[in-house]
Amino acid sequence: QVQLVQSGAEVKKPGASVKVSCKASGYTFTSYAMHWVRQAPGQRLEWMGWINAGNGNTKYSQKFQGRVTITRDTSASTAYMELSSLRSEDTAVYYCARAYCSGGSCYKRGLTNWGQGTLVTVSS
Amino acid sequence: QSALTQPASVSGSPGQSITISCTGTSSDVGGYNYVSWYQQHPGKAPKLMIYDVSNRPSGVSNRFSGSKSGNTASLTISGLQAEDEADYYCSSYTSSSTLEFGGGTKLTVL
Repeated sequence: QVQLVQSGAEVKKPGASVKVSCKASGYTFTSYAMHWVRQAPGQRLEWMGWINAGNGNTKYSQKFQGRVTITRDTSASTAYMELSSLRSEDTAVYYCARAYCSGGSCYKRGLTNWGQGTLVTVSS
Repeated sequence: QSALTQPASVSGSPGQSITISCTGTSSDVGGYNYVSWYQQHPGKAPKLMIYDVSNRPSGVSNRFSGSKSGNTASLTISGLQAEDEADYYCSSYTSSSTLEFGGGTKLTVL
């Protein structure tokens, strides 16, 4: 069965960077887009960006452009999300989520499998 | 980009039907048939309930249905059950080739 297992909780100081990993299993990693979504405490879901796990192409939300980098390691079936210049407002649970289907337009169509979430706390 | 607009809360009694709206623009909801809906229970990851406006993934109850008219999409839950109490989020593909989520709706089953 499809599983996305994320790395553990992190505590960072303002101005630092954090890198969260998402290890996939149960499907062909390179055939599906992977998205990253975050949720601050008590707040809404917020889309950050996605990566074509096959060719490595990425697209980011304008809100995070310049601060977020999504990469993947196909040999390890793992996607990564790095967020830099952290501030207190970045305190949130960060999720990876796989696209519903494989293929050209599938990254648009819904996120069917989610990781367990990684809590990132930014505090001085 | 602004979040899609959802009512903050809706409520209904067991057995009733409720509808949650999701309003965007012609650059997102109105421009594409790529609206999806997610259910999120407290402390849990979201679960995909509807994709492509009105399609249900395998395993999702047929009590959940989706539709769209113009710039507004809707999620209807019929035969409300206690376990349906959760937060619900809509999402849409946008003309910027990004995804956007709604503000979320808290469903209370009375």
